[in-house]
Amino acid sequence: QKEVEQNSGPLSVPEGAIASLNCTYSDRGSQSFFWYRQYSGKSPELIMFIYSNGDKEDGRFTAQLNKASQYVSLLIRDSQPSDSATYLCAVKGRGSTLGRLYFGRGTQLTVWP
Amino acid sequence: ETGVTQTPRHLVMGMTNKKSLKCEQHLGHNAMYWYKQSAKKPLELMFVYSLEERVENNSVPSRFSPECPNSSHLFLHLHTLQPEDSALYLCASSQDQRGGLTDTQYFGPGTRLTVL
Repeated sequence: QKEVEQNSGPLSVPEGAIASLNCTYSDRGSQSFFWYRQYSGKSPELIMFIYSNGDKEDGRFTAQLNKASQYVSLLIRDSQPSDSATYLCAVKGRGSTLGRLYFGRGTQLTVWP
Repeated sequence: ETGVTQTPRHLVMGMTNKKSLKCEQHLGHNAMYWYKQSAKKPLELMFVYSLEERVENNSVPSRFSPECPNSSHLFLHLHTLQPEDSALYLCASSQDQRGGLTDTQYFGPGTRLTVL
């Protein structure tokens, strides 16, 4: 069983702060990692993916991957109230059928003004 | 229409009813997926189709029956469901049928299903 663990939260940060969302995974062979944002009552939307160790930046978002520690994180700089949502970490395993994704339960983020 | 669409957006059905969920993708993708999302649980993959061929059935009860007539359309036929089947059903699609590193799944808006 391939496990993806996230703190369920809620994580609460003030507007303008950095929000840090963490994810660990059990399958050492996992190859690529995706962050999705899901607003209440809506479907998940892709924020970014990462597959190489290190940092990957896209606007206010930075994904960090450490395969040795089996850890991936998402940093949101200059957090805005509109960032309030549940953030889902998804992991694609080695040899996955059609890129099968394993999802965590998600971390609920609240950004207060 | 763009992206991935799903109909209906909301569905209430009795345990003896038969209904179908429809998904259509306008992205030219080769693979389509059905997921179930229940409260406080991770997204659960139900079925995967590649070029209309079912390639994964994730131990889903037979009361759920998928159909993929072409690479743009995916259906989920429902019959004799149970109240615990109430959930958000999400359809997704992706480009790469062999699931490359960067192959990304894009989700539709979902169908909120309530079984009475």
